[in-house]
Amino acid sequence: DARVTQTPRHKVTEMGQEVTMRCQPILGHNTVFWYRQTMMQGLELLAYFRNRAPLDDSGMPKDRFSAEMPDATLATLKIQPSEPRDSAVYFCASGLGATGANVLTFGAGSRLTVL
Amino acid sequence: GQNIDQPTEMTATEGAIVQINCTYQTSGFNGLFWYQQHAGEAPTFLSYNVLDGLEEKGRFSSFLSRSKGYSYLLLKELQMKDSASYLCAVRDGDSWGKLQFGAGTQVVVTP
Repeated sequence: DARVTQTPRHKVTEMGQEVTMRCQPILGHNTVFWYRQTMMQGLELLAYFRNRAPLDDSGMPKDRFSAEMPDATLATLKIQPSEPRDSAVYFCASGLGATGANVLTFGAGSRLTVL
Repeated sequence: GQNIDQPTEMTATEGAIVQINCTYQTSGFNGLFWYQQHAGEAPTFLSYNVLDGLEEKGRFSSFLSRSKGYSYLLLKELQMKDSASYLCAVRDGDSWGKLQFGAGTQVVVTP
């Protein structure tokens, strides 16, 4: 059963600390999306990649957030320095672009709490 | 940009039918998706429409009218396990395009 794997599942940190979230997309998928979900804002698109190349990161606060895909099996989302307003659930999703629907499969999410 | 609107909450009785509407305004269009999300879990894919008309999949059906920027998700024979948030999402551009989500409709199924 193919799945998107995210780590950590839960993270509690103090304001100012660096946070790195990792995502392993489904093998063979070539599009990777990062979303953030809060009660107030719903699911917000932060950034997404096509064949490891960033296509759009306009939804991401550039001064503190960065997203990369070091290789096809790993996507990372880094926050430095973290702030309490970054507290949210961060979802990674992957899909097979350029074929039909490119349905995205979501990981279980990383719940971040910044104190 | 994109603007995706759907009702915040709907309540229905077990066994009944509920229709969740979604309207959108996008700069481009390459498909409309419905996802289900139970509390504390990840969204899971329900349906996809790219052409006008109705797509039926078991108890769930989804309809699309591109000219009206309108879709609905129809849930029939409601079960308690259908209590969840239902997210409408639109892809712009081509199949590589960004997928933007609406705020979600919380469906509450009562006995």
